[in-house]
Amino acid sequence: AQRVTQPEKLLSVFKGAPVELKCNYSYSGSPELFWYVQYSRQRLQLLLRHISRESIKGFTADLNKGETSFHLKKPFAQEEDSAMYYCALSGRAAGNKLTFGGGTRVLVKP
Amino acid sequence: GAVVSQHPSRVICKSGTSVKIECRSLDFQATTMFWYRQFPKQSLMLMATSNEGSKATYEQGVEKDKFLINHASLTLSTLTVTSAHPEDSSFYICSASVPGGGNTIYFGEGSWLTVV
Repeated sequence: AQRVTQPEKLLSVFKGAPVELKCNYSYSGSPELFWYVQYSRQRLQLLLRHISRESIKGFTADLNKGETSFHLKKPFAQEEDSAMYYCALSGRAAGNKLTFGGGTRVLVKP
Repeated sequence: GAVVSQHPSRVICKSGTSVKIECRSLDFQATTMFWYRQFPKQSLMLMATSNEGSKATYEQGVEKDKFLINHASLTLSTLTVTSAHPEDSSFYICSASVPGGGNTIYFGEGSWLTVV
């Protein structure tokens, strides 16, 4: 069975401070990992995916297969980064269905 | 990016009645759509996978007779909550995968259902 774990429900940081959201997964096969973000009163939207290996809005995430992790990082948090972040996993073995972690609420204080 | 739209965004219904939520892909054809349920301050729980022209595939523990899913066209999937009860009150979200989009999923804005 595939599972995604986000151990932190809430992360509160000051503007300009680094932020790291943890995500660990379990999956038998080659997973595809995503980070989705949900800003207040908006729909869920894709932030980034591991196969793209890109930086979006200053966020990066590296897939570490040895540690089965896909942590999301940003060196200098901004107030507009305050949102709900979900790590998600997909894979062929599960019919490409997305499995979400519990989510981490990020609050960036001025 | 691709747009997925849900309607209604909010609905209140009486216990025992049925309510239908629509999910449309506005600028692409979606052979597969997904329905999720999200309780307050909790994560999204996949309810079922909706396949155009065939029966939906339900996740374990989801009552298929309770949550009827129809995917009659490539741009529309509907979720009907039958004989609604207050415990069915939740936020329902649909998503669709873009064909050839490398497994990219786009989400609707969600629908709040309140059963009174």
